[in-house]
Amino acid sequence: EDKVVQSPLSLVVHEGDTVTLNCSYEVTNFRSLLWYKQEKKAPTFLFMLTSSGIEKKSGRLSSILDKKELFSILNITATQTGDSAVYLCAVEARNAGNNRKLIWGLGTSLAVNP
Amino acid sequence: DTAVSQTPKYLVTQMGNDKSIKCEQNLGHDTMYWYKQDSKKFLKIMFSYNNKELIINETVPNRFSPKSPDKAHLNLHINSLELGDSAVYFCASSLTGQGRRTSYNEQFFGPGTRLTVL
Repeated sequence: EDKVVQSPLSLVVHEGDTVTLNCSYEVTNFRSLLWYKQEKKAPTFLFMLTSSGIEKKSGRLSSILDKKELFSILNITATQTGDSAVYLCAVEARNAGNNRKLIWGLGTSLAVNP
Repeated sequence: DTAVSQTPKYLVTQMGNDKSIKCEQNLGHDTMYWYKQDSKKFLKIMFSYNNKELIINETVPNRFSPKSPDKAHLNLHINSLELGDSAVYFCASSLTGQGRRTSYNEQFFGPGTRLTVL
């Protein structure tokens, strides 16, 4: 069965700390891995990763994928209180009918204290 | 504004009732989705529609029926509501196919509909 596991489930840090969020997966017919940030409402897209070893960056956030070891990490440097959110990892795969589907992790709840 | 919109934002209803949630996107996307997010914040895909054809149905009860009159709309109708249906329902859309600039399978989400069944 396809699954996506995120760790830790929750994390509390102080402003200025650096955090690393993990996402491991076991899926058949992997196509891509996505990171989303969810605050009070709908998730917002952060990164899409398809190739191993290529880091994607957006400001203080960066992410990398390891397709051999089947995981991805999301780094946030110099955290701010505005980074407090649930970070969701999703993996796109193909099912038996060759249709696309997204398998979601449970998310990591990050709280950044001032 | 280009976006994914949902109505209503809040829905409070009694067990046994039938209700609908509407979703519209004006992004020119060809695939739309419905997700259910429960109290544990876990996002579960319910349906996916591509060019008005259902392509994923993840073991959702028959009481839930998606209806897509065209590529820009995907409505969710729920019959005989149960307490366990209480959740936030998100609509999303994406663009598929080759040769497009938009990131393949990057999904844009609506604001969500919070459904409470009493």
